[in-house]
Formats: sequence, C-alpha cells, structure tokens
Amino acid sequence: QQQVKQSPQSLIVQKGGISIINCAYENTAFDYFPWYQQFPGKGPALLIAIRPDVSEKKEGRFTISFNKSAKQFSLHIMDSQPGDSATYFCAATARNFGNEKLTFGTGTRLTIIP
Amino acid sequence: DAGVTQSPTHLIKTRGQQVTLRCSPKSGHDTVSWYQQALGQGPQFIFQYYEEEERQRGNFPDRFSGHQFPNYSSELNVNALLLGDSALYLCASTFLPTGANVLTFGAGSRLTVL
Repeated sequence: QQQVKQSPQSLIVQKGGISIINCAYENTAFDYFPWYQQFPGKGPALLIAIRPDVSEKKEGRFTISFNKSAKQFSLHIMDSQPGDSATYFCAATARNFGNEKLTFGTGTRLTIIP
Repeated sequence: DAGVTQSPTHLIKTRGQQVTLRCSPKSGHDTVSWYQQALGQGPQFIFQYYEEEERQRGNFPDRFSGHQFPNYSSELNVNALLLGDSALYLCASTFLPTGANVLTFGAGSRLTVL
C-alpha cells in the first residue's frame, strides 16, 4: 500500500514536444505529491508539487495533473528542451508533524533529442 | 548559502566492514533524513532525525544506524556490509516546525561494497 508506481521507465521526446510521465498510488492517506528532477551525479531537486485539493498545478513549462478518484497524477513538460534531459521521480507522503518520509516512484529517464 | 553537504562522495569497502557517512544540513534546517538509492531505482527512506532523536524508520535492518549532533549534522553508520548495500546514500534536510515538506537533498555518497 506504500508503493508509488511510475511509468514509463524511459522516454525519448523531440525538442519542443510534450513529455508526459505518469504515477499511481494506493495509500489514500497520501496528501502531498512532489516531483523531483535528478541529473547525473546530483541529488534529486524538487521541481513542482501538488496537494489533492486541486486538480492541476502549473509552474512555467511544468504542469502536474491530479486525479484523486483514480489515485493517479502526472507530470507534463511542455516545449521540452535538451536541458530537461534528466531522471524524474514522482513521490508521495502523508503529512503530519515529524513525518517527512517520501515514498518515491522508480524513476523515468527522459531524453530530449534535437 | 551552502546546501546539503555530504562526505565522502565516493568510497569502496569490502563485505563485513563498517562505514560512516556524514551530512551537514542546509543552513536553517534542523531535520535530517537518509535515503538509499540503488542503481536505477528511486530513493528509499532509511530514517529521519529531529532533535537528536530518530523519529521515523523505514524498512531497513538494525545494521543501519544513525546519529544527529547538536549542530544538526548527522551520520549514517552501516555495519557488517553486504554486497547489496552498494548504493548512493542521500541525505536530505528540512525545517520541521514550519510544516514544510520541501526536502533539500545532497549529492550523495556513493558506496561500493566488494
């Protein structure tokens, strides 16, 4: 019940295209869903996050879509650029004081080709 | 403003040995979490330290232990190393009292067990 399932495992998108990564969860106690971006040799960095009281959140070229009834959420990268090539992880947590434990998906390696 | 710093960046040990990894949290942060990231996988939560106490623990054996010091820095100790302990060990920090869920990750310590 603690798993977060992420797909696809790898993704190749042409420059200027839309990259879409999907995640699904089981634990209905999860109430915070961040996405992390990780470049080789670096730690994950927070990209964007959403809470389940909204269905969509947009920050620049990055958008999270959230479907509470289906227990699914996805990351859309518009106008994908070569600099977006990285590994992306979805994550989830049930927030309460003292609980910062994140459950991560298995990651998606995104490659943007010219 | 320095982010999360970890040391060493790389190390090689042999089975049965013990290892200590170190983490300095981001300035202003008081909570440290440790994650294990196996090759090609998402990070997995090991434990979290706040006010020098272990607050939460993931599904890791007692061979994994930790400590937090009064200056909020932390150590991760792994005893009786197994080949399967080879991974990137990530430290993440946050400021707990604000209820923020934004974890700042370090670049990690890559442990290879031979």
